Amino acid sequence: DAKTTQPNSMESNEEEPVHLPCNHSTISGTDYIHWYRQLPSQGPEYVIHGLTSNVNNRMASLAIAEDRKSSTLILHRATLRDAAVYYCILRDLLNSGGSNYKLTFGKGTLLTVNP
Amino acid sequence: SQTIHQWPATLVQPVGSPLSLECTVEGTSNPNLYWYRQAAGRGLQLLFYSVGIGQISSEVPQNLSASRPQDRQFILSSKKLLLSDSGFYLCAWSTAFNSPLHFGNGTRLTVT
Repeated sequence: DAKTTQPNSMESNEEEPVHLPCNHSTISGTDYIHWYRQLPSQGPEYVIHGLTSNVNNRMASLAIAEDRKSSTLILHRATLRDAAVYYCILRDLLNSGGSNYKLTFGKGTLLTVNP
Repeated sequence: SQTIHQWPATLVQPVGSPLSLECTVEGTSNPNLYWYRQAAGRGLQLLFYSVGIGQISSEVPQNLSASRPQDRQFILSSKKLLLSDSGFYLCAWSTAFNSPLHFGNGTRLTVT
């Protein structure tokens, strides 16, 4: 399974941008980069995913390095509700056809947002 | 729209008792289904996944088993619970290869 490396924790101030890094030096050409976050006592919530190009949605932006060996999740204006554990995950295909996959979660980054 | 239902929300069971957790998905067909477990203060561990009815793959050897009797139903079971089975159990589903995982609200199991 391809692996990712994230800092154990990060701290931010409310209404400031947050850049959460992720290293995935062993990524393969077909691996999608997924980001999820988990609030206390809840199931993980999908944030964003991408393959090669940078991606934007209403929650965040995903910046992917040109060599794809690292990526950064960007929260443009952190709020107190963004305090969570953020997981960067590489999708593992279950078959060569690519229709099924699994996600193996690491320890993630605990983001603290200060008021 | 698609929804996922997982029950019960909390469960307290004595050591040696059986377990059955159920997960159902609505609004989609032939989903991939997953069971994850999160022990207290730890990350999520993938336990089982299923790509179709009757097709179960186990990620780690353990005291648990999974079954998929219907397309959108995924069941996690144990014949005899151990203390180490305590944790937060999460069911999830996905469809197309580049679609995200959708998680249920989880079941918090305490084995006493």
